[in-house]
Amino acid sequence: QSALTQPRSVSGSPGRSVTISCTGTNSDVGGYDYVSWYQQHPGKAPKLMIYDVTKRPSGVPDRFSGSKSGNTASLTISGLQAEDEADYSCCSYAGSYTVVFGGGTKLTVL
Amino acid sequence: QVQLLESGPGLVKPSETLSLTCSVSGGSISSYYWNWLRQPPGKGLEWIGYIHYSGSTDYNPSLKSRVTISGDTSKEQFSLKLSSVTAADTAVYYCASVSSGNYYFDYWGQGTLVTVSS
Repeated sequence: QSALTQPRSVSGSPGRSVTISCTGTNSDVGGYDYVSWYQQHPGKAPKLMIYDVTKRPSGVPDRFSGSKSGNTASLTISGLQAEDEADYSCCSYAGSYTVVFGGGTKLTVL
Repeated sequence: QVQLLESGPGLVKPSETLSLTCSVSGGSISSYYWNWLRQPPGKGLEWIGYIHYSGSTDYNPSLKSRVTISGDTSKEQFSLKLSSVTAADTAVYYCASVSSGNYYFDYWGQGTLVTVSS
């Protein structure tokens, strides 16, 4: 059960869009439509931003969207705002009631 | 709105057992799977395992030999024990909930830092 692969960092200017990738295998990302994304500000607990690949919990701005193609899931943040600067982690169901996380991506808003 | 709060020692000696408790409020303990996760300093999140109110458990295969998660429904608490700890077990430990039928963590505790050091 290996961790999912995310870029260590991404950056974007206010108002622009960024996409964070999350690559797994046929046994996790590619095998199930159960990818979730979490936002984490320094010293804070993770916050659910996307679940079941594309769904947004109540209260999460529609600037956040999720998608998946094959073994790679993606989180896109459009209309970047300063408060979006945070760490983002992906998570996938991996069968047998287990889940696996990515290593996290630090988003910098320039 | 479910609220979770971790408690336990912030310092554990190598080779000893790490013990943490998560107190639950604001939700039906029977409606969720109750999880433990951790995040070493500067690293990604790692799922440790869960307990359901029925008593069923499952653990991360990489930690299974050292982990026990138990629950006390009367106190609305669940606990983590991790044995034979080393410095590699130093991390912020979180408890989190997964609603039955779902595959994502919807509510999280604030996290508690546990340092393994002599």
